[in-house]
Amino acid sequence: DQQVKQNSPSLSVQEGRISILNCDYTNSMFDYFLWYKKYPAEGPTFLISISSIKDKNEDGRFTVFLNKSAKHLSLHIVPSQPGDSAVYFCAASSGAGSYQLTFGKGTKLSVIP
Amino acid sequence: GAVVSQHPSRVICKSGTSVKIECRSLDFQATTMFWYRQFPKQSLMLMATSNEGSKATYEQGVEKDKFLINHASLTLSTLTVTSAHPEDSSFYICSARDRPRDIQYFGAGTRLSVL
Repeated sequence: DQQVKQNSPSLSVQEGRISILNCDYTNSMFDYFLWYKKYPAEGPTFLISISSIKDKNEDGRFTVFLNKSAKHLSLHIVPSQPGDSAVYFCAASSGAGSYQLTFGKGTKLSVIP
Repeated sequence: GAVVSQHPSRVICKSGTSVKIECRSLDFQATTMFWYRQFPKQSLMLMATSNEGSKATYEQGVEKDKFLINHASLTLSTLTVTSAHPEDSSFYICSARDRPRDIQYFGAGTRLSVL
């Protein structure tokens, strides 16, 4: 049973427009969420995180929104750039002091020049 | 962000041999490191949690005698794939937890090909 779901395996966006990547989770114990970006044959790169006590966190072009009641989070990239083309993974962890991450299957973002 | 170094980036070996992969946190101390495996077009699957100075904790279905983990210092964890077989061919990635920020930083991964 997948506890973290990224239902869109791929997304194409025009350069300069907004990219919205979605993530749903089923485990209500998750209280910390992270987004990672990954290029082929490389390790994931941390992008942005959010704690369950917040509903929004912003860092430059990246904003993560969390809707706890819907068990849903999203990553917004504005404006999208060709260099943003990669696979984006949503990850979640639970409990104070718990460090294990549960990953979604990823969404491949293609930003078209 | 913090830097995690993973070595080697790629290894090709014969069936039956053992392969050691190193994971180092370069600018922070990591009491906890993690080892993941990624199959093509799939997510990262946690294999084991490596704790400095103690035994690793393995996820269900991961053979601890096949995937030996050693975390001898606060900056180094190693994964040894013993008696590797073609089905062990995969992309292995380590991460280290930067505790103050509660973020895992990942190494660049190791592509293992067993012939």
